[in-house]
Amino acid sequence: GAGVSQSPSNKVTEKGKDVELRCDPISGHTALYWYRQSLGQGLEFLIYFQGNSAPDKSGLPSDRFSAERTGGSVSTLTIQRTQQEDSAVYLCASSYGRSTYNEQFFGPGTRLTVL
Amino acid sequence: AQSVAQPEDQVNVAEGNPLTVKCTYSVSGNPYLFWYVQYPNRGLQFLLKYITGDNLVKGSYGFEAEFNKSQTSFHLKKPSALVSDSALYFCAVRENGGATNKLIFGTGTLLAVQP
Repeated sequence: GAGVSQSPSNKVTEKGKDVELRCDPISGHTALYWYRQSLGQGLEFLIYFQGNSAPDKSGLPSDRFSAERTGGSVSTLTIQRTQQEDSAVYLCASSYGRSTYNEQFFGPGTRLTVL
Repeated sequence: AQSVAQPEDQVNVAEGNPLTVKCTYSVSGNPYLFWYVQYPNRGLQFLLKYITGDNLVKGSYGFEAEFNKSQTSFHLKKPSALVSDSALYFCAVRENGGATNKLIFGTGTLLAVQP
C-alpha cells in the first residue's frame, strides 16, 4: 500500500518568507509526527498529533513554527519568517493507534533551504 | 534526561564480514528500542524493535539486535554484510513518561561496506 508522502520534496526560499510543508500519512494511521533532521543535530521531535486530541507541540523550536492536521489525516507544517537556521530536512511519520509498541513509518522528507 | 548514544560516526566493514553498529540508551522505566535505516535521499525505514521478551530481536534484511539490560545497550548486528547495506543507521528509544510515543534518536552511524 501507499506509504507516507510529503510535498514538496525540495523547497528553496528566501529568509523572511513563509513556507508550508505537507504530509499525507498512511491511511488509517491515527498518530502523526513531525521531526527535523539537521546536519550535526540528528533527528529532533517537533510535534505530535493523535486522533482528535490536542497536539503535543513541545518540540516546536519557536512560535514561528505551527502545524495543523485537518480531518485527522493530512498535516501541514508552517514556518513563518524563515531563518537560515531553519534549513533542514523535515520528516513526517505516522503510526497506527495509540500503542507504545507501534513503529513509526516515515515519509521521504522535505529538504528546506533558506537563503 | 532520556537519551540514546551511538558512539561511532562511521563503521567500515568488508563485504561478507559480520557487522556491529553500537547503541546505548538511558531511559527511566522499561525501554522500547528501535533501529531505523536511511538510504541517501530517502526517509527512515524501520528495521526492528525491542519491546519485551527475547533479548535477540530479528528484523528486516537479515539484521538483528541484542538487548542487554545490564549494559543498557541495543547493538545492531548482521552476520554477513552486503555492499547494499551501506547507509545511515539510527537507534531510537521511545520517550517514557510522556503522553506521546515520540522517539528520541541517536545521532546516527554511517555504515560503509567495501566490496
